[in-house]
Order: sequence, then structure tokens, then C-alpha cells
Amino acid sequence: SELTQDPAVSVALGRTVRITCQGDSLRRYYASWHQQKPGQAPVLVIYGQNNRPSGIPDRFSGSTSGNTASLTITGAQAEDEADYYCVSRDSSGNHVVFGGGTKLTVL
Amino acid sequence: QVQLQQWGAGLLKPSETLSLTCAVYGGSFSEYYWNWIRQPPGKGLEWIGEINHSGSTNYNPSLKSRVTMSVDTSKKQFSLKLTSVTAADTAVYYCARVSYSSDWVYYYMDVWGKGTTVTVSS
Repeated sequence: SELTQDPAVSVALGRTVRITCQGDSLRRYYASWHQQKPGQAPVLVIYGQNNRPSGIPDRFSGSTSGNTASLTITGAQAEDEADYYCVSRDSSGNHVVFGGGTKLTVL
Repeated sequence: QVQLQQWGAGLLKPSETLSLTCAVYGGSFSEYYWNWIRQPPGKGLEWIGEINHSGSTNYNPSLKSRVTMSVDTSKKQFSLKLTSVTAADTAVYYCARVSYSSDWVYYYMDVWGKGTTVTVSS
């Protein structure tokens, strides 16, 4: 995959966690972030520079620096436990690539 | 509120052709790209390809030889065909709407279908 994510991250309830996504294409294209809970379709949580769709809590935020996009959850809640995927165009711009996903555990 | 409803055969034999359709309810059809994405059991998401209202497509290079996408703008539907399936094609298949900027800098799937489970088994 051209986008690299840590396979698993854990966070204590109420603390802040950052999930990262690395790839050369992120120097040109914004990543978007999707949350997926077991047995459900993914849900968009962050897109663009730092935009949240309607209905997504403001504890979710995004940022990009160089070749790394980050999803930050400030004050993680039990319901945030899920898999998180980043996605963007690939380096050529002709295709789309997903990161491998990060499993977030809220302790 | 935009909804995507998808359907297609859920059980296939090796060498058969997978065929799925996704219908768009609500919203514009021409202002977006439309994607197919799949997820093998216990694994991550894999992009299959994209199509717009005029039929312009891009496919995942690893699947390109077997994939065809099409649109029916009169019905606001788009479809996926994947030929010569094997057990490795067993997955949940999702359709998704994509919002984007003309330079692709912004590109995100903002509406997803519920998914269709496709199993390939002899």
C-alpha cells in the first residue's frame, strides 16, 4: 500500500490519541479518514484540510504535515473504538489508495 | 438525504462473473464520481475503481484486466462487473459516492452503500 498506517493503537478513555497515515502522495493530495465498526460500512469522519461531515463530533480533527496525515481524537470515547482508514489519490493521481487501517482500542 | 442501494448475486462459482449494481436515491448524479470498494474477510479496504456520469473510468491496476464499470444516468445507477472470479475475490463489496476537486486534491467518499457480501466457492 502507498499509504502506511500503524496496525493498532490504544488510548485510555478520555485521553487524546493520534492516528497517522504516511505516503508521498499526501504531499499533494489530502487524505480523508473513515471510521468502520464491526459489521458496518465505513463512515467519513474527516476530509480535506480539517473538515468534519455533519454529525461527526468535534473531538475528531485532522491535519497534514509533509507526507503525513493525522487523525486526532481529543477525549476518546468508548464508541470511538473502531478501525480507521485513510485514503487519497496515489502518487500518479490516476488511482485511489487506502491505508492498511488502524485498529483503535479505547481502554 | 442521499442513499445508495446496492444489489447483486452473493454466491458465485470460480470463473464466473461478479455483477453488482448501485442505485442513487436523492441528490445529483452528475456532480460526483462513483466508486466500488471491497473488503475481504478480516482485511482492509481495497479500491476497485471509479466512474463518473459520462462513463470516464479509472481502475485499480491489480484488477484492471477483469473489471468493467458502467453507468445508466437515466436510472441514476452504476454497475460493476468482475470476470473470472476466484476465492480471492470473496469480500464485502461497497459502492460509494465521491466528492472531489478538479485537481483531485480533495477526494473523499462521503456516502457509502451498506455493502454486499460476495462469496466465491465451488
